[in-house]
Amino acid sequence: NAGVTQTPKFRILKIGQSMTLQCTQDMNHNYMYWYRQDPGMGLKLIYYSVGAGITDKGEVPNGYNVSRSTTEDFPLRLELAAPSQTSVYFCASSYERGYLYEQYFGPGTRLTVT
Amino acid sequence: AQTVTQSQPEMSVQEAETVTLSCTYDTSESDYYLFWYKQPPSRQMILVIRQEAYKQQNATENRFSVNFQKAAKSFSLKISDSQLGDAAMYFCAYRVSGGSNYKLTFGKGTLLTVNP
Repeated sequence: NAGVTQTPKFRILKIGQSMTLQCTQDMNHNYMYWYRQDPGMGLKLIYYSVGAGITDKGEVPNGYNVSRSTTEDFPLRLELAAPSQTSVYFCASSYERGYLYEQYFGPGTRLTVT
Repeated sequence: AQTVTQSQPEMSVQEAETVTLSCTYDTSESDYYLFWYKQPPSRQMILVIRQEAYKQQNATENRFSVNFQKAAKSFSLKISDSQLGDAAMYFCAYRVSGGSNYKLTFGKGTLLTVNP
């Protein structure tokens, strides 16, 4: 099991550019999440998905879009990148059933918008 | 809204000593889960320990244990026999049990330094 994988590891974007952060999990988890971590802060939820075809907003969804066409993949789209989106992005997944609720995190993507 | 507060931005401990990291939270829910995550310089988020609110017994995982005080809404992490590899940022996190949004609410973290 590779767990949760994210690509790319690092990216520099110019203001106004767009990009997609990829996230894949091979644990057959039903729930997937996108968090961002700003310097000196904990993680904040951007979007989450409870299964293929179902997504919902978290605390800080503005400027992002997601889709979930398969159980394994949960890409995060940034449209018109802004400096405020400079952050480290984490994807996570979990299998929400009974005691099985631990969230497993990917290694993160460091994004800089200049 | 739920909030998680870690009042110690930084802590240090001597190798082989014991250190306690503090965490308090605010919630109106009665059933929830609490977690401590470790984030080393590699940035990987690693689950250290978890506690179900309905359990009175404090969770332990090898050298890591918690002091869960539900009435006081306090959830501290004790690291015994500290090792150099314990040096990392530690985050306390909360999530409600049940419902449809299983998001984690994180504190701002405590940076732990282990001195040889």
